[in-house]
Amino acid sequence: GAVVSQHPSWVICKSGTSVKIECRSLDFQATTMFWYRQFPKQSLMLMATSNEGSKATYEQGVEKDKFLINHASLTLSTLTVTSAHPEDSSFYICSARNRDSVTETQYFGPGTRLLVL
Amino acid sequence: AQKITQTQPGMFVQEKEAVTLDCTYDTSDPSYGLFWYKQPSSGEMIFLIYQGSYDQQNATEGRYSLNFQKARKSANLVISASQLGDSAMYFCAMREGPDYKLSFGAGTTVTVRA
Repeated sequence: GAVVSQHPSWVICKSGTSVKIECRSLDFQATTMFWYRQFPKQSLMLMATSNEGSKATYEQGVEKDKFLINHASLTLSTLTVTSAHPEDSSFYICSARNRDSVTETQYFGPGTRLLVL
Repeated sequence: AQKITQTQPGMFVQEKEAVTLDCTYDTSDPSYGLFWYKQPSSGEMIFLIYQGSYDQQNATEGRYSLNFQKARKSANLVISASQLGDSAMYFCAMREGPDYKLSFGAGTTVTVRA
């Protein structure tokens, strides 16, 4: 149980294009999902909290118009990197909070590596 | 101020030996949760073990155990009988009060030698 999928796992795109990343909780309902960004050999940096049926909450310094988040259902959240530039190249990873878990554990997807040329 | 501190950037351990990864935390909230995650080179974050602030006993999950010292605000992870597949980066994280967000430490890279 508590499986989270993320798609795509790899994406290479040209500068100026938009990229959509999907995060799905496969065997549990996730009212809250989180999007992180990670640079090589560094820790995870929380970008935003995605709540089902409401607007996402962005962390300080994260551009909401640049990183669009939609949480349309209890099992799906999407992150769209709009007008991507080389500096957006990174590892993006989502997590989902299992609301039925006593420990409120966050389970992570496998991540998406984005390379913007 | 750092909420989670992992002071060991990297560690080497011999196969079949035990290794302890340090984690200290800072919070004034009496209700919190502590997590350890493993991140192999593939990038996925694998949940290992959880310790609640009100739990009386140290958490254990197979070869993983958490040495929880509340007064010292430390939550060290012990991996027993290390295996080559344990080579990865390990992150300590904390959830405080009603906030569902996690604060992560900088991570510790563990390399298991044959």
